[in-house]
Amino acid sequence: SQTIHQWPATLVQPVGSPLSLECTVEGTSNPNLYWYRQAAGRGLQLLFYSVGIGQISSEVPQNLSASRPQDRQFILSSKKLLLSDSGFYLCAWSLGRAGNTIYFGEGSWLTVV
Amino acid sequence: SQELEQSPQSLIVQEGKNLTINCTSSKTLYGLYWYKQKYGEGLIFLMMLQKGGEEKSHEKITAKLDEKKQQSSLHITASQPSHAGIYLCGADITGANSKLTFGKGITLSVRP
Repeated sequence: SQTIHQWPATLVQPVGSPLSLECTVEGTSNPNLYWYRQAAGRGLQLLFYSVGIGQISSEVPQNLSASRPQDRQFILSSKKLLLSDSGFYLCAWSLGRAGNTIYFGEGSWLTVV
Repeated sequence: SQELEQSPQSLIVQEGKNLTINCTSSKTLYGLYWYKQKYGEGLIFLMMLQKGGEEKSHEKITAKLDEKKQQSSLHITASQPSHAGIYLCGADITGANSKLTFGKGITLSVRP
């Protein structure tokens, strides 16, 4: 069966510091991978998605970037965090066909202070 | 404007009562997904609907997609405290791939 893990679960970072959130999927190959952010009162916002290694699409201009160095690894990064980057970040995966369910990781709480 | 509207925003029911929550779009939905979330945790997949008029049930939860494929409802029968949480609908509104647009979610509380 397929599993998805992301880490760290919680982190507190000062403004201007770098960020790296990592996500891995097991039990499948060539999945679509996603990074979402959930902010209070704003619902779930798609940040990046990837259909293959090195293929990243950005949905919203922002202070963040994503990379996919391996087939089942997806990384969310920032060189300098802003206060507005605080939120709950969710990694997700799906099979590479329209109509397939998207499955989410456990989430990572980021607080920028 | 929000492409997926969920209503009501929040709901408090007495244990044992039935309830219905809704998800509405102005666009045709190529796939409609219901998820449940406990605050601060990941989303748990509940059900997916694709065809107009489709209805699916799992335990005491029933989801329906209208014939126009623009509105979905989630009905819980005889609610229990374990049903409490945030219910989110997500939808493919482009038909092109698996990207989902989400509503803001509905917070359900069940009083024992």
